[in-house]
Amino acid sequence: DAMVIQNPRYQVTQFGKPVTLSCSQTLNHNVMYWYQQKSSQAPKLLFHYYDKDFNNEADTPDNFQSRRPNTSFCFLDIRSPGLGDAAMYLCATSRDTGQTNEKLFFGSGTQLSVL
Amino acid sequence: AQKITQTQPGMFVQEKEAVTLDCTYDTSDPSYGLFWYKQPSSGEMIFLIYQGSYDQQNATEGRYSLNFQKARKSANLVISASQLGDSAMYFCAMRERGTGGFKTIFGAGTRLFVKA
Repeated sequence: DAMVIQNPRYQVTQFGKPVTLSCSQTLNHNVMYWYQQKSSQAPKLLFHYYDKDFNNEADTPDNFQSRRPNTSFCFLDIRSPGLGDAAMYLCATSRDTGQTNEKLFFGSGTQLSVL
Repeated sequence: AQKITQTQPGMFVQEKEAVTLDCTYDTSDPSYGLFWYKQPSSGEMIFLIYQGSYDQQNATEGRYSLNFQKARKSANLVISASQLGDSAMYFCAMRERGTGGFKTIFGAGTRLFVKA
């Protein structure tokens, strides 16, 4: 089945130690998104790629970076994780960005803990 | 200011009964889309239903229907004949125009508990 896969499911890192979360998709979608979801809060869009074009949200901290080496893979890099970065990180895809009816396809998320 | 407001952090419903999950939204764009997603404990968000801002009729998908009241900017989800497997987090979302195309923003969610 075509899907969005996130690895690992749980990630533990140390305060200040760089960490990378990965996402892959077999849907061949143009767009890949990263959302941060903290407990009892709305998932917050960090950035998205349309193909190779990177679109950062204005309030996304510089500490968060992303790479998309090809259509299938997208990475979230946290350069110096702080305690406040502990959250669930959700990767999602959509076919395009030009329509209101584009639904998102999600992975199962990576729960990041910062010690 | 919050763009998507879900005022019910948690809801209980008896199995086989109907339940309404509330959602209000805020936008000045005439073209937007409204969604509901379900997030079970496994974590993966699953699309349930979509309503376009220009749609005249309320959307329905099986046991799910969306009560769209445009003037009130509300998009409530109605689940009929609740099942135990409906226990999950439910997120209301809006897709609106932004830099780099349309983007989807979410409310804080409502946790639904279905009682046997």
